[in-house]
Amino acid sequence: DAKTTQPNSMESNEEEPVHLPCNHSTISGTDYIHWYRQLPSQGPEYVIHGLTSNVNNRMASLAIAEDRKSSTLILHRATLRDAAVYYCILRDYRTGNQFYFGTGTSLTVIP
Amino acid sequence: NAGVMQNPRHLVRRRGQEARLRCSPMKGHSHVYWYRQLPEEGLKFMVYLQKENIIDESGMPKERFSAEFPKEGPSILRIQQVVRGDSAAYFCASSAISHPGYEQYFGPGTRLTVT
Repeated sequence: DAKTTQPNSMESNEEEPVHLPCNHSTISGTDYIHWYRQLPSQGPEYVIHGLTSNVNNRMASLAIAEDRKSSTLILHRATLRDAAVYYCILRDYRTGNQFYFGTGTSLTVIP
Repeated sequence: NAGVMQNPRHLVRRRGQEARLRCSPMKGHSHVYWYRQLPEEGLKFMVYLQKENIIDESGMPKERFSAEFPKEGPSILRIQQVVRGDSAAYFCASSAISHPGYEQYFGPGTRLTVT
């Protein structure tokens, strides 16, 4: 399965934008890029996903590099509730039954 | 709309006992996935089921673990003769379609402690 690389941790000030990077240099043409987050003591929560084009939803934006070897999750205004571990996951028909969770990025939001 | 429900939320078992974890998928979802999260680690896939069928159990330990998703009722993850190493959070997810372009919705998890 194609692997992703994320920084272990990041910090952001409250109400400022946050850019969470993810490298996936071995991505295949059929891999979807999914982002989930996990708040303390909770199950993972879907954030956003995309294939080739940038995506926006009410929670976040996903910017995908033109060569698709990296992507960035953008939280437009961080709140304290956004403090969580963020997972960048690749999923295609070979791994379609499951998500491979790495260690993710632990985001700290500073009031 | 109720989300994915799991019970119990916390379960304590002594070594050698059996643990039964239940998962009710979101309404209309027929695909269920079980994951395990050891302390300080990411989630690891265990098994994928559709109604009455195990589709992929490549992440299930070979012994003591079993899963089912009957025609009626919740999906059950069963751990026989639990050991301390089984202590973990077990998460269930469901989806309407098993396709890489669709999201899975996760439950709150069952935290199993083996004493």
